[in-house]
Amino acid sequence: DAKTTQPNSMESNEEEPVHLPCNHSTISGTDYIHWYRQLPSQGPEYVIHGLTSNVNNRMASLAIAEDRKSSTLILHRATLRDAAVYYCILSGGDQGGKLIFGQGTELSVKP
Amino acid sequence: NAGVMQNPRHLVRRRGQEARLRCSPMKGHSHVYWYRQLPEEGLKFMVYLQKENIIDESGMPKERFSAEFPKEGPSILRIQQVVRGDSAAYFCASSHRVLDRGGEQFFGPGTRLTVL
Repeated sequence: DAKTTQPNSMESNEEEPVHLPCNHSTISGTDYIHWYRQLPSQGPEYVIHGLTSNVNNRMASLAIAEDRKSSTLILHRATLRDAAVYYCILSGGDQGGKLIFGQGTELSVKP
Repeated sequence: NAGVMQNPRHLVRRRGQEARLRCSPMKGHSHVYWYRQLPEEGLKFMVYLQKENIIDESGMPKERFSAEFPKEGPSILRIQQVVRGDSAAYFCASSHRVLDRGGEQFFGPGTRLTVL
């Protein structure tokens, strides 16, 4: 299984940017980098994904290191609703179509 | 476009009964995935189906659990002779493309199974 490493928890203040790091030193050339989040008592929610280039969408930005061994999910202005567990997941190889969730980063947002 | 729908949202069963969990994928999605989240634990993959075919069931317990995704109708996760350890949240997801080709998965709200 492709492995990722994330901090267990992070704190942020409301309306400030948040940078959530993820290390994936064993990533292969065809692995996509996916980010999902799970709000309390809800199902996981897709956030963003990328392969080599940085990506932006309405929810967040994904910055991918040039060697692809790490990436950062950027929430430009954290809101209280962004408090969730954020998962960085690689896809590809022998994983097929499944998502392999690690422990993720629990983000808390202070008013 | 309606999202992934799961029903029931809450299900209570007594030990030994059967539980049937239903999942209707998003329109146009032919890939369905089931995940389980035990209390205070992470999400674990169970099974991946693509219309009428089981593609990957590496996460399914060997006994009592089965899944199907018929040509017509929702995907069904069936748990026979439930035990207390089956109490968990069961999430279904669907996708248009396979994950390793960059497709994202869209999750339903889950079914919370409680076994008494």
